[in-house]
Amino acid sequence: AQSVTQPDIHITVSEGASLELRCNYSYGATPYLFWYVQSPGQGLQLLLKYFSGDTLVQGIKGFEAEFKRSQSSFNLRKPSVHWSDAAEYFCAVGAWSNDYKLSFGAGTTVTVRA
Amino acid sequence: DVKVTQSSRYLVKRTGEKVFLECVQDMDHENMFWYRQDPGLGLRLIYFSYDVKMKEKGDIPEGYSVSREKKERFSLILESASTNQTSMYLCASSLNDGRSYEQYFGPGTRLTVT
Repeated sequence: AQSVTQPDIHITVSEGASLELRCNYSYGATPYLFWYVQSPGQGLQLLLKYFSGDTLVQGIKGFEAEFKRSQSSFNLRKPSVHWSDAAEYFCAVGAWSNDYKLSFGAGTTVTVRA
Repeated sequence: DVKVTQSSRYLVKRTGEKVFLECVQDMDHENMFWYRQDPGLGLRLIYFSYDVKMKEKGDIPEGYSVSREKKERFSLILESASTNQTSMYLCASSLNDGRSYEQYFGPGTRLTVT
């Protein structure tokens, strides 16, 4: 079965600074991967996804993520954070043989200070 | 846009009550999922369904049941609510087309059992 680890529980970043959220997965083959964002009191919104091909994927709200097979990682980045990026971020991994189910990380909460 | 709606945003129930959480999606998705979200644990899959009247247990099905009588509706049932079922419950849906694997989420129901 696949699993995913988000090593950082909470990150604080200044507005305008860059942001990187880490995600490591465990799976015997190449998985498909997602990043979701959850604003307070809301459901999860898809930021970006990786299925195959180019390992650098672009998403909404200026986010990008890079798939590194050798490191089993799928880290999320944003060059310049806005106050509205304060939220909880979840990495999710799926297995091609696992019938559309996803495994989610524990989440990383991002606080943006002025 | 895919829309997933959940019947209540907030719910307060007493221990031992039977609780129904309803989820409706409007994009003809075959797959539907129920998760619970707890701080530090991320999202954990309770049950999922690939088709009408079909259900499979997820990672934490104990104390829950589900019903899917129509394609667009997936209900989560707590037969006898307990305080340890106080949580945020998220419903999601996805296509079953072999190409799209992202899940679309509802806004969540925050259930408190007293």
